[in-house]
Amino acid sequence: DQQVKQNSPSLSVQEGRISILNCDYTNSMFDYFLWYKKYPAEGPTFLISISSIKDKNEDGRFTVFLNKSAKHLSLHIVPSQPGDSAVYFCAASTNTGNQFYFGTGTSLTVIP
Amino acid sequence: EAQVTQNPRYLITVTGKKLTVTCSQNMNHEYMSWYRQDPGLGLRQIYYSMNVEVTDKGDVPEGYKVSRKEKRNFPLILESPSPNQTSLYFCASSLWAGTLSYEQYFGPGTRLTVT
Repeated sequence: DQQVKQNSPSLSVQEGRISILNCDYTNSMFDYFLWYKKYPAEGPTFLISISSIKDKNEDGRFTVFLNKSAKHLSLHIVPSQPGDSAVYFCAASTNTGNQFYFGTGTSLTVIP
Repeated sequence: EAQVTQNPRYLITVTGKKLTVTCSQNMNHEYMSWYRQDPGLGLRQIYYSMNVEVTDKGDVPEGYKVSRKEKRNFPLILESPSPNQTSLYFCASSLWAGTLSYEQYFGPGTRLTVT
């Protein structure tokens, strides 16, 4: 049973516009969330994280929003660039921080 | 250069022939983990280790073994591989703060095919 879900397998956005990637989770014990980016033939690389005590975390063009009551998080990329084209995975863990659950990924294409 | 290395990168084998995929990190990380990536299923955690001689099962441990005899190495062992273990495997490592691990650094992946 998938505890972390990314319901959009793919997303296309024009360069310069905002990309919004969504992630839902079912386990209310999750309190640490991360986003990873993955290019073909490479391992995932860490992008940004957020703990459950916050509802927003920002790092340059990337912002993650957490809505605990809805069990939903989103990643905003503004402005989107062609180099952002990749598969994005959200992940979650509990406060023990030892086991991680990943979503199925969203393939983002930024069109020049 | 800080990195996680995996070997081999590609492997084709036959059912039942024992194999080991090695993983090594040079960042002195306490936490290491193995994942498999399958279409439509994302990344699923197989095993993880919080330090030397400390390992535990992830979400999909069946058919796999691990060991952590040294801090830098975390090999994944398939004693009797089956076709349903055909997958893309990633090793990852991170710091560990006792109750929380930090963002993980992933290796480049090992593409395994079991016929």
